[in-house]
Amino acid sequence: QKEVEQNSGPLSVPEGAIASLNCTYSDRGSQSFFWYRQYSGKSPELIMFIYSNGDKEDGRFTAQLNKASQYVSLLIRDSQPSDSATYLCAVGSGNQFYFGTGTSLTVIP
Amino acid sequence: GAVVSQHPSWVICKSGTSVKIECRSLDFQATTMFWYRQFPKQSLMLMATSNEGSKATYEQGVEKDKFLINHASLTLSTLTVTSAHPEDSSFYICSASQEGSGSEAFFGQGTRLTVV
Repeated sequence: QKEVEQNSGPLSVPEGAIASLNCTYSDRGSQSFFWYRQYSGKSPELIMFIYSNGDKEDGRFTAQLNKASQYVSLLIRDSQPSDSATYLCAVGSGNQFYFGTGTSLTVIP
Repeated sequence: GAVVSQHPSWVICKSGTSVKIECRSLDFQATTMFWYRQFPKQSLMLMATSNEGSKATYEQGVEKDKFLINHASLTLSTLTVTSAHPEDSSFYICSASQEGSGSEAFFGQGTRLTVV
């Protein structure tokens, strides 16, 4: 499989802080980039997708893509305890999706 | 977002039997469906990709004769775990996409398989 790398964490942030999640990918031809959130025992749910270089904001979430550096990140502002979950980075390449191993985030009240 | 329904949500079966898992896209036509397996505290591992009307493409190390995938229509794909063994116990998740990598994938709720 083509590589998608994430820091497995765990990442702990206090409530109200900014959580920063990072992801790098190996295939320069990758076209689409996604962030999913997965609670324990549940399926992943889509949070954000981004196709172009730059930032994309949706509420408290901001996805950042830098294709030259093969890097995509997710910022969560004003982190809440309910944001505690595993965050999966996914990269679309050709007709495939490849997932990173996920970063476990804990938001401390 | 679009709805993908996976059935059953959980199943327990005896070693040596076969189990079929269904994945349906309820409100869109899924050009491509993906099957994943996830062991506890590990990430999703892609097993295979299926396109409607054609044979599935399996990832390296996944036994195609053991994990039979059928994508007979644009709204239904099935995964059959044949001659299941305890080591096949896992969380199986499908996802569906309308246009492959051009659009996001929507996930079913997953099937927790326990083989005893």
